[in-house]
Amino acid sequence: AQSVAQPEDQVNVAEGNPLTVKCTYSVSGNPYLFWYVQYPNRGLQFLLKYITGDNLVKGSYGFEAEFNKSQTSFHLKKPSALVSDSALYFCAVRPYSGAGSYQLTFGKGTKLSVIP
Amino acid sequence: GAGVSQTPSNKVTEKGKYVELRCDPISGHTALYWYRQSLGQGPEFLIYFQGTGAADDSGLPNDRFFAVRPEGSVSTLKIQRTERGDSAVYLCASSLGEAGNTGELFFGEGSRLTVL
Repeated sequence: AQSVAQPEDQVNVAEGNPLTVKCTYSVSGNPYLFWYVQYPNRGLQFLLKYITGDNLVKGSYGFEAEFNKSQTSFHLKKPSALVSDSALYFCAVRPYSGAGSYQLTFGKGTKLSVIP
Repeated sequence: GAGVSQTPSNKVTEKGKYVELRCDPISGHTALYWYRQSLGQGPEFLIYFQGTGAADDSGLPNDRFFAVRPEGSVSTLKIQRTERGDSAVYLCASSLGEAGNTGELFFGEGSRLTVL
């Protein structure tokens, strides 16, 4: 069975500073990896995904994530944080094929607070 | 509509009652998913439909939970004999394409169920 760990419940960063939200995963075979964001009273929104190819993927709102197979990590990054980036961020994984390949498994989420 | 629509947005019921939650996916999306999100947790997979059929219902916690999608569009999640532990936000998502596609999921805002 697949799993996702987001080791930080909360990340605080000053506006304009770079941010990183950490994610590690466990899955059989090759992974499909995703980041979603949840704003207050809003549905989950897709940010970016890794399927194959370049380990650095770029997504919405200036976010990017780096896939590291040896460390089984998929950390979310942004060079310069905005106050409007404050939200709850979820990392998710599903296997490329086989059992559970339709199921996205989510981490518990990391609350990002960007301080003006 | 433009996005995934879920009704009701809030439902309060008493222990032992029957509840139905409705999801109207994005037009043309053949894949539909139900997830459950408890407080402080990430979404947990319940069931996946491809068209009218439930392709994977392995996430349903027990036989009190059932979901249908009779015409391949709107879906209803049905919970019998509700228990306090069923209290959560029930999320619906849809996506383009067939099983195993790599596309992102589009989530509704959820139905918050409270069982007293």
